[in-house]
Amino acid sequence: DQQVKQNSPSLSVQEGRISILNCDYTNSMFDYFLWYKKYPAEGPTFLISISSIKDKNEDGRFTVFLNKSAKHLSLHIVPSQPGDSAVYFCAAWWSNFNKFYFGSGTKLNVKP
Amino acid sequence: DAMVIQNPRYQVTQFGKPVTLSCSQTLNHNVMYWYQQKSSQAPKLLFHYYDKDFNNEADTPDNFQSRRPNTSFCFLDIRSPGLGDAAMYLCATSRGGSNNEQFFGPGTRLTVL
Repeated sequence: DQQVKQNSPSLSVQEGRISILNCDYTNSMFDYFLWYKKYPAEGPTFLISISSIKDKNEDGRFTVFLNKSAKHLSLHIVPSQPGDSAVYFCAAWWSNFNKFYFGSGTKLNVKP
Repeated sequence: DAMVIQNPRYQVTQFGKPVTLSCSQTLNHNVMYWYQQKSSQAPKLLFHYYDKDFNNEADTPDNFQSRRPNTSFCFLDIRSPGLGDAAMYLCATSRGGSNNEQFFGPGTRLTVL
């Protein structure tokens, strides 16, 4: 049973606009939530994370929002750039077990 | 640069022929992970090592084994690959403890003929 879900396989956005990628989870024991970015033929690279005790974390153009009551998080990219085109994975970390749980990814296409 | 290296990047094997995938790291991280990722699916954790402690996922087939002879290297052995084992295999590392950032290798694409 998948504990982290990304229900949108793909998203297309115009350059300069906001990209919003969504993620849902089921396990309230997760300590941290992370977003990874993956280009073709490369491994995922860490983008941004948020502790389960926070509701927002911002790093430049990237902001992650966490809604614990809804078990939902989102990644906002503003403004979107063509170089942001990649697959974005949401992941959750359970510190007790040192394990990460991944969503299936959302492919973002930013059109020039 | 410190990194996670996976060899080979592409591996072709025959049905039932054992294969070994290799991962090495220069980060001196305590934890090493192996994931299997099939097309358009989430990376699925197979097992991980915290130092020498091996942690197998309950649903990882017995066909999959792992070895970590030292801090730097970790191997994934598939004893009798089936067609369903064709996938991308990702190795990742992390410091462990309260540090949750993972560093991934580029992956090995396994094809089973």
